[in-house]
Amino acid sequence: DIVMTQSPDSLTVSLGERATINCKSSQSLFYSSNNKNYLAWYQQKPGQPPKLLIYWASSRESGVPDRFSGSGSGTDFTLTISRLQAEDVASYSCQQYYASPYTFGQGTKLEIK
Amino acid sequence: EVQLVQSGAEMKKPGESLRISCQGSGYSFSSHWISWVRQMPGKGLEWMGRIDPIDSYAHYSPSFQGHVTMSVDKSTSNVYLQWSSLKASDTAIYFCARHFYDGTETENWFDLWGQGTLVSVSS
Repeated sequence: DIVMTQSPDSLTVSLGERATINCKSSQSLFYSSNNKNYLAWYQQKPGQPPKLLIYWASSRESGVPDRFSGSGSGTDFTLTISRLQAEDVASYSCQQYYASPYTFGQGTKLEIK
Repeated sequence: EVQLVQSGAEMKKPGESLRISCQGSGYSFSSHWISWVRQMPGKGLEWMGRIDPIDSYAHYSPSFQGHVTMSVDKSTSNVYLQWSSLKASDTAIYFCARHFYDGTETENWFDLWGQGTLVSVSS
């Protein structure tokens, strides 16, 4: 199985500042035949199901604010939340869909300072 | 409204059987694979497997193969997750999640989620 490791486990950021969450996979998620990275990011608020934010490592889902952005390639990926807002308090998880079984990172809990 | 609606919370004893459901509405039910995802208390997300509503073909994660069974009833747009003998370690929230499909390709990220079903197993 592909192991997904996120860092940090928790993060405290001030309102209006930038939050950066990292995700590392145990093998490359880049498929050269289509030039795509098979990685998604989800946001999960307490008591709610996950919500898709990003797919193909950097494509934003419809309706997701543009302060959320994804980057990276191969084995190293980043979710950046610029201009943090109070409503962004949540847990964030990466997921690889390069190979079954599809695996998630352990999650990063984002809180407001 | 496009949505997945799951059945309510369950409290069971070890050894009992259980089936939980996930009903899709507001979209072409048969066009999208459905996966089940487990979240144990205070833990991360674990993919359990997925099922194709067209032919009921299910593909399981090796970690869950043999422990659960997925099924579909196209007539009611329901997908089911079933246990024949629950264990205390099955205590978790279970989410159903829809695979993305753009009319030509199915991808294995999840663009729509159910609200979750809490399953508690205790003697």
